Amino acid sequence: SAVISQKPSRDICQRGTSLTIQCQVDSQVTMMFWYRQQPGQSLTLIATANQGSEATYESGFVIDKFPISRPNLTFSTLTVSNMSPEDSSIYLCSVLEGEQYFGPGTRLTVT
Amino acid sequence: GESVGLHLPTLSVQEGDNSIINCAYSNSASDYFIWYKQESGKGPQFIIDIRSNMDKRQGQRVTVLLNKTVKHLSLQIAATQPGDSAVYFCAENRGSYIPTFGRGTSLIVHP
Repeated sequence: SAVISQKPSRDICQRGTSLTIQCQVDSQVTMMFWYRQQPGQSLTLIATANQGSEATYESGFVIDKFPISRPNLTFSTLTVSNMSPEDSSIYLCSVLEGEQYFGPGTRLTVT
Repeated sequence: GESVGLHLPTLSVQEGDNSIINCAYSNSASDYFIWYKQESGKGPQFIIDIRSNMDKRQGQRVTVLLNKTVKHLSLQIAATQPGDSAVYFCAENRGSYIPTFGRGTSLIVHP
């Protein structure tokens, strides 16, 4: 099984600023995903981030708003840019290693 | 549009009772289904899965039933314990490795 950690676990940010969320996996994985989970809602896939290629974004999400880095097989970052209160959410990192594993999430509040 | 959804947003049960969480899906092309458990402050955790060529699969205290005729999926938890309290999501795969998540059901177990 894969063990995933995320930093920060939570943050409160002002609108217009940006936050970079880090995701660290304890093993090398090819496929990594970023999800958003708004309060009381289900998970929505933001993008798929495979090492060595550009991230693939889902409908409704764009690279300028959610730039992603994937420098190696154990690490990725998601930046939430020019934040607004609507970006308040839990952001989850996930990997596929046989089954899908999730990190604990980063709870973001934008004021 | 096609979607995966849950009938009951909240299910309250007494400790020791059996719990049944239901899920409806609308895409007959879905061929793989997964149940996840999400405890407060954590990411979703894989519980059990089932492929479309099966109608029942059992795990430890959990059973998933698939009725393709009516596009219905259920998760049965035997002898529910307080530690089972969480939000449960069903998810479907339609020939890809990325699941689409349903809305979620909150299971509350009363001691």
